[in-house]
Amino acid sequence: DIQMTQSPSSLSASVGDRVTITCRASQSISIYLNWYQQKPGKAPNLLIYDASSLQGEVPSRFSGSGSGTDFTLTISSLQPEDFATYYCQQSYSTPTFGQGTKVEIK
Amino acid sequence: EVQLLESGGGLVQPGGSLRLSCAASGFTFSNYAMSWVRQAPGKGLEWVSGISRSDGSTSYADSVKGRFTISRDNFKNTLYMQMNSLSAEDTAVYYCAKWRGDQSIFDYWGQGTLVTVSS
Repeated sequence: DIQMTQSPSSLSASVGDRVTITCRASQSISIYLNWYQQKPGKAPNLLIYDASSLQGEVPSRFSGSGSGTDFTLTISSLQPEDFATYYCQQSYSTPTFGQGTKVEIK
Repeated sequence: EVQLLESGGGLVQPGGSLRLSCAASGFTFSNYAMSWVRQAPGKGLEWVSGISRSDGSTSYADSVKGRFTISRDNFKNTLYMQMNSLSAEDTAVYYCAKWRGDQSIFDYWGQGTLVTVSS
């Protein structure tokens, strides 16, 4: 199985900050990388698929980049509703998720 | 509006069995592959199993292979997971998730159903 490693595991940030989360795959996965947001007690919500495509009505402050083994999720200006846990997931082969990054209020 | 509604979770003893269901609506169920994803308390997401849209091809995580069976009824618009030989390590919230197109991109999720394995 392809291993997905996110960093950091958690971070503290303020409203308005630019936040970047990274995800590294154990082997090349082309652009088959997806990002989800999960709030406590809720199901995950798809934010970005195929590394950089924004899903549905996801706000444009969210963006994704990368290919091969290294990927990033960027929130350009953190909003109060963005405090949550974020997961990357590869769809190149049998799906695997990163361990998650918890974004907390500073 | 796409809706996925899981049911069937609950408390079960180690070694026991449980059958989860996921009722789908708001989309043409037979046109999409589906998956089950679980989340142990306080832990991350783990893909459990997937099933193709029509020919019934299935796949499983190694952690459940031989114990869990995924199936679907395209006439009833329902996804199932039969879980046997349950252990404490299977305690989790189980989500059903719809694929986006032909890739395992999970664009819609149910609210989840909690399975607790304990004596």
